[in-house]
Amino acid sequence: DVKVTQSSRYLVKRTGEKVFLECVQDMDHENMFWYRQDPGLGLRLIYFSYDVKMKEKGDIPEGYSVSREKKERFSLILESASTNQTSMYLCASVPLGSNEKLFFGSGTQLSVL
Amino acid sequence: GENVEQHPSTLSVQEGDSAVIKCTYSDSASNYFPWYKQELGKRPQLIIDIRSNVGEKKDQRIAVTLNKTAKHFSLHITETQPEDSAVYFCAASAGGTSYGKLTFGQGTILTVHP
Repeated sequence: DVKVTQSSRYLVKRTGEKVFLECVQDMDHENMFWYRQDPGLGLRLIYFSYDVKMKEKGDIPEGYSVSREKKERFSLILESASTNQTSMYLCASVPLGSNEKLFFGSGTQLSVL
Repeated sequence: GENVEQHPSTLSVQEGDSAVIKCTYSDSASNYFPWYKQELGKRPQLIIDIRSNVGEKKDQRIAVTLNKTAKHFSLHITETQPEDSAVYFCAASAGGTSYGKLTFGQGTILTVHP
């Protein structure tokens, strides 16, 4: 069974802090994604990566950056957290050549106070 | 870029009734249309998908239809059960260099009353 693991289920941070959200997948998937989920807005793509050290902006990249130093790990970074970044963050991965089925992590509920 | 609109935002039905959720998309290059179900406190899970070369696909009580000309697709759930209660998301993807990159709709909260 594919496992996509997010390091924290709940996280509380203060405005201005630097925040790291970690995601690890154990199935050698090439493609990894970070989404944020907000009620009434669905899931919106922040950043994605198709290879190590490669990243591309999604629809809402402002205020975020990412890092992919190893194939299995994709990190989302909030350089200076703000209250409007309070949200549920979901990581996902998908292998190339598959039917594009995304495997999601269990999510990190981030609260910025 | 792609824009996906989903309606209704909430849907309440009695057990045994049918439920229909509709989505429209804007990018004619989109060719893959999955539906995800997210139960309370859990991660989204793929329940059915359809590609642009197919007009309809069925899997037991769920079916998806696609109208490429009108750029809309729908999820149909028949004989609903309380365990169908969840948030449902439609999505669209153009594949190719955008492999796995999905644009999601806003979500529909489906409640099935026993």
